[in-house]
Amino acid sequence: GQQLNQSPQSMFIQEGEDVSMNCTSSSIFNTWLWYKQDPGEGPVLLIALYKAGELTSNGRLTAQFGITRKDSFLNISASIPSDVGIYFCAGPPRTSSNTGKLIFGQGTTLQVKP
Amino acid sequence: KAGVTQTPRYLIKTRGQQVTLSCSPISGHRSVSWYQQTPGQGLQFLFEYFSETQRNKGNFPGRFSGRQFSNSRSEMNVSTLELGDSALYLCASSLRGNSYNSPLHFGNGTRLTVT
Repeated sequence: GQQLNQSPQSMFIQEGEDVSMNCTSSSIFNTWLWYKQDPGEGPVLLIALYKAGELTSNGRLTAQFGITRKDSFLNISASIPSDVGIYFCAGPPRTSSNTGKLIFGQGTTLQVKP
Repeated sequence: KAGVTQTPRYLIKTRGQQVTLSCSPISGHRSVSWYQQTPGQGLQFLFEYFSETQRNKGNFPGRFSGRQFSNSRSEMNVSTLELGDSALYLCASSLRGNSYNSPLHFGNGTRLTVT
């Protein structure tokens, strides 16, 4: 089945640094979603991308939908301690578009040193 | 607008028992999906309900079931609990399933521990 591969698996950075993480697949996705999960809580939607090439920002976060439809990246600028958490990419499988079924990447764990 | 609400937050059960988890979606959302999250398997889709009908199902045994009520609230049930069912169970709601301007919003989950 379709899979999403996130990299890196984990990052440990200094406060104030910029962060970049990405998500790739061997097959096409028509939507890319980026979520952040804090310990003990559910994933929170950060950015939703619906069109190839689309670049969308949400505060210090920027995400892009790759032209090939097989990848997406998320950038965080000027990181702060509250950016700590696990970041997931997700997308609907080809066979179940427009439903509540999503495939998730394995996550990128971000730690920020004050 | 209130978010997705899941109850209870924590549950401890014994092998062989059954459990029912509850989810109240965001007002106006008709799609409710359930996910299981474990350290080894990550986030995996269990099933989705839309307008009281199961629309989609993941690769889980029949011990996992669910339903949706006319007010869109949903419950999932796990029967004959096994140790491997210990996980964070997440509920997500959306207007009509994941589509343009209708992304999934998650609750904070129910942490189930099976002993």
